[in-house]
Amino acid sequence: QTVVTQEPSVTVTPGGTATLTCASSTGAVTSDYHSNWFQQKPGQAPRSLIYGTTNKHSWTPARFSGSLLGDKAALTLSGVQPEDEADYYCLLDFGGGQLVFGGGTKLTVL
Amino acid sequence: EVQLVESGGGLVQPGGSLRLSCAASGFTLSSYWIHWVRQPPGKGLVWVSRLNDDGTYTNYADSVKGRFTISRDNAKNTLYLQMNSLRAEDTAVYYCVRGTVGAPGLDHWGLGTLVTVSS
Repeated sequence: QTVVTQEPSVTVTPGGTATLTCASSTGAVTSDYHSNWFQQKPGQAPRSLIYGTTNKHSWTPARFSGSLLGDKAALTLSGVQPEDEADYYCLLDFGGGQLVFGGGTKLTVL
Repeated sequence: EVQLVESGGGLVQPGGSLRLSCAASGFTLSSYWIHWVRQPPGKGLVWVSRLNDDGTYTNYADSVKGRFTISRDNAKNTLYLQMNSLRAEDTAVYYCVRGTVGAPGLDHWGLGTLVTVSS
């Protein structure tokens, strides 16, 4: 069974930078996995932030960016705002109709 | 404005069936891949199923394969998820999500509908 792993929690101070990562149990994450990132606040539906590793949606704030970092996918928040406190999920496409979400990272802004 | 509105959730006994609907507006369903994603209470997101734009190709997570069926009514611009042989572990909020155009991904999400499987 394929497992996608994210940090359970990350804490950042306002104005700082946070990097969240997404690893695969199958090995290195490449652009072929078309990583997606989503933000979810309590009681709300998820909101899409990044698709195809680096692409932003029209509504994605400029401070969010997606990349590959070493053998993982990464979401970087630069100049973190208090309203960025939320759960963040990555999604990897392994091909053949297998899509797997990571377990999520709880971002705390202190 | 793109909107996805799920309905059909509720309480069902183990072994029972339920059909979820996802009414789309602001775009034509048959031009996009559409996914179902679920979230058990207090837990993370789980991908469930997808249907391609021309309606000829479907995929399912192993946990629902053989029990769930995704389909679409183009005239009603509505997506469905037929769920049979329901189990307690199927209890979750079910979201329908539109696929992106171009690079693979998801963009617009519905607000979800809660399915509770319990006796």
